[in-house]
Amino acid sequence: SAVISQKPSRDICQRGTSLTIQCQVDSQVTMMFWYRQQPGQSLTLIATANQGSEATYESGFVIDKFPISRPNLTFSTLTVSNMSPEDSSIYLCSVDQASYGYTFGSGTRLTVV
Amino acid sequence: EDQVTQSPEALRLQEGESSSLNCSYTVSGLRGLFWYRQDPGKGPEFLFTLYSAGEEKEKERLKATLTKKESFLHITAPKPEDSATYLCAVQASSNYQLIWGAGTKLIIKP
Repeated sequence: SAVISQKPSRDICQRGTSLTIQCQVDSQVTMMFWYRQQPGQSLTLIATANQGSEATYESGFVIDKFPISRPNLTFSTLTVSNMSPEDSSIYLCSVDQASYGYTFGSGTRLTVV
Repeated sequence: EDQVTQSPEALRLQEGESSSLNCSYTVSGLRGLFWYRQDPGKGPEFLFTLYSAGEEKEKERLKATLTKKESFLHITAPKPEDSATYLCAVQASSNYQLIWGAGTKLIIKP
């Protein structure tokens, strides 16, 4: 199955600043998914990123707050903009590996102070 | 509305004490049901995909089963290293999105 390298693994950021999270996959994939996991909660899909097109955002998430880039079939970034303490979460990227299920990166633990 | 409910929220077992975790779902056409394991501070790790009622899959001490309404993750003679949160998700046939349950936190005491 694919291996996803996600970084940073954790960060502590000041409110009002932005953080860009990177995901690198060791094989080409059509769709990449970005999730948020708030403390003690399950996963919430933020958006789906296809190479060469605008990301598709889920209800409650907007491009101005969570801009996504997908410059090629192995890489994507998610930016958390103008952060507030409510953005403190684990952010995860994922790819669909068919018979291997969805593979996830190791996550970025973000704390906003 | 598509929905996934996992129970119990938390489960504490003694090492060697077998038990089952439940994942009940409501979906308009099931494409697949997924089980994941998540350790603290890490991303979910894929365990199984089940596609149709009656299907079963096994991996070491874990066995997943599927009916038309629910799935069970059976844990036989668990060890402390099986302690983790177990997540269930379903994928509807109408789209690719996963609908996630809230998870069951499993603690195995030595």
